Amino acid sequence: GENVEQHPSTLSVQEGDSAVIKCTYSDSASNYFPWYKQELGKGPQLIIDIRSNVGEKKDQRIAVTLNKTAKHFSLHITETQPEDSAVYFCAASPSGAGSYQLTFGKGTKLSVIP
Amino acid sequence: EAQVTQNPRYLITVTGKKLTVTCSQNMNHEYMSWYRQDPGLGLRQIYYSMNVEVTDKGDVPEGYKVSRKEKRNFPLILESPSPNQTSLYFCASSLGTGPASGNTIYFGEGSWLTVV
Repeated sequence: GENVEQHPSTLSVQEGDSAVIKCTYSDSASNYFPWYKQELGKGPQLIIDIRSNVGEKKDQRIAVTLNKTAKHFSLHITETQPEDSAVYFCAASPSGAGSYQLTFGKGTKLSVIP
Repeated sequence: EAQVTQNPRYLITVTGKKLTVTCSQNMNHEYMSWYRQDPGLGLRQIYYSMNVEVTDKGDVPEGYKVSRKEKRNFPLILESPSPNQTSLYFCASSLGTGPASGNTIYFGEGSWLTVV
């Protein structure tokens, strides 16, 4: 099955700086890569996703890049703010019949220091 | 408001006492799933369901049962809970076939379960 590795496990940045979280996956059939943000006491919420036919996607201060050859994808947060502090999860899912599972990384705890 | 609702949110129970965590979604989603979240292990899938009466095992199904008799409900059953099932549980739902078709997965708020 799919295996997703996520780094770093913790990340501290100064407010206004950028934050980058990286993930690698093992199954070359994976073609859907979402990122989730989990605030304390809440369930994960989708913040951005990317599909295998796209190399980069941006939504305001958040961007995700995908390198299918190297089987890795990254989350970039620019101009970080204290409300960006949370745990972030990457995930990967293969396509095709019978592929109904989403495999998550172990998470990155991001702390934005005011 | 579109949401996934889990109950109970917090539960302390004893080893061997059967319990059910309910999950309901109001978005008419076909796909539903249960995850458990443990420190350092992230989110791991327990079971998922593609539609009514169609369920399948995820990565960590041992000790759990599910049923999908109605589209909106997907209860998680622990027939004989053990301390290693102490965890934070999330129910999730999505349109269509869920991640396979790239549909957004919506999570509930979580259920903290402690088995003593």
